[in-house]
Amino acid sequence: DAKTTQPPSMDCAEGRAANLPCNHSTISGNEYVYWYRQIHSQGPQYIIHGLKNNETNEMASLIITEDRKSSTLILPHATLRDTAVYYCIVRVLMDSSYKLIFGSGTRLLVRP
Amino acid sequence: DTGVSQNPRHKITKRGQNVTFRCDPISEHNRLYWYRQTLGQGPEFLTYFQNEAQLEKSRLLSDRFSAERPKGSFSTLEIQRTEQGDSAMYLCASSLELFWEETQYFGPGTRLLVL
Repeated sequence: DAKTTQPPSMDCAEGRAANLPCNHSTISGNEYVYWYRQIHSQGPQYIIHGLKNNETNEMASLIITEDRKSSTLILPHATLRDTAVYYCIVRVLMDSSYKLIFGSGTRLLVRP
Repeated sequence: DTGVSQNPRHKITKRGQNVTFRCDPISEHNRLYWYRQTLGQGPEFLTYFQNEAQLEKSRLLSDRFSAERPKGSFSTLEIQRTEQGDSAMYLCASSLELFWEETQYFGPGTRLLVL
């Protein structure tokens, strides 16, 4: 089972920041938080990942709380092309691999 | 484009037929994963290769499914005697083992429809 919970849907206005929350209260100390998104009918696209510190790249920022029980993905200036399902994943080592356990994700709708 | 590629992108087949999908990972990536995604759900893990060795298979991977990765490069996923329940998007991802900061990059997927 996925170790994360996300709201099923959110919306924001184009040009505004989109803040997508994720709860992962059972995360262990060495488990990373990964974010992917999936635009309709395409494969998941990697966005960002982090362990303890906040991270930023050209796509987004990831804010992880100090206790690591939750995180927020921030798209600073959302565009219509950011409309997608966003998956927050705690990457765990199960058996021999770091398989990704996807939940249901958050469907983000960016409004014109 | 040096990303993960998958062929074909779409496949329509009749129940009982065999189908084979191909995945070409990012060059130098030594790990390769197959996932399956049904409508409205997130992807589910099927199997995993490290180089040419298939190290793990999900219980979702029935004996009608077989995957190979000869020479540790491209991979194929074959489904024998397809059933309507096999209709799904089949996704391939590759990664480079780099201690614990491994990131999986996905291909565009192969959408299978079994009639």
